Amino acid sequence: GQQLNQSPQSMFIQEGEDVSMNCTSSSIFNTWLWYKQDPGEGPVLLIALYKAGELTSNGRLTAQFGITRKDSFLNISASIPSDVGIYFCAGQNYGGSQGNLIFGKGTKLSVKP
Amino acid sequence: NAGVTQTPKFQVLKTGQSMTLQCAQDMNHNSMYWYRQDPGMGLRLIYYSASEGTTDKGEVPNGYNVSRLNKREFSLRLESAAPSQTSVYFCASSPNRANTGELFFGEGSRLTVL
Repeated sequence: GQQLNQSPQSMFIQEGEDVSMNCTSSSIFNTWLWYKQDPGEGPVLLIALYKAGELTSNGRLTAQFGITRKDSFLNISASIPSDVGIYFCAGQNYGGSQGNLIFGKGTKLSVKP
Repeated sequence: NAGVTQTPKFQVLKTGQSMTLQCAQDMNHNSMYWYRQDPGMGLRLIYYSASEGTTDKGEVPNGYNVSRLNKREFSLRLESAAPSQTSVYFCASSPNRANTGELFFGEGSRLTVL
């Protein structure tokens, strides 16, 4: 089945540093999404991308839908302690039901004050 | 605003016991989902319900059953629990807009099977 390769698996950074993570697939997706999971909570949607090449920001977060439709990246600028958590990418195709949303395995972010 | 509510939050079972995880959403969403999360495995879809009265298998349905009781509620049942079902289970719902990928998750139910 379809799989998403998310990297890195984990990151340890200093407060104030910028963060970059990405997600790649051998298959084409028509929708890319980024979720964040705080410790002990359920994932929360950060950014949704619906068009190849689209670049979208949400505060200090910026995500892009790759032009090949096989990848996406998420950048976090000037990290702060509350950025700690697991970040998941997810991809979906047109024509599929919501059951066709595929999640990456996550990037665990740790921030040292 | 409750959003998606799951019960129980924690449960310990012995192998072979049965239990039902309950989920309710108050956002008038049509679609609801059950995922499991295991270390290093991300989120894997167990079952989903695109609308009231319908359910479909996801990636890892074996050992589970579901019931879409009404538009608000979607339950997940383990008939005979196994240690491999030790996991964190998340219920989610999505808005009525089709194929947006926007899911709203509950806080999770942490299940241990001994």
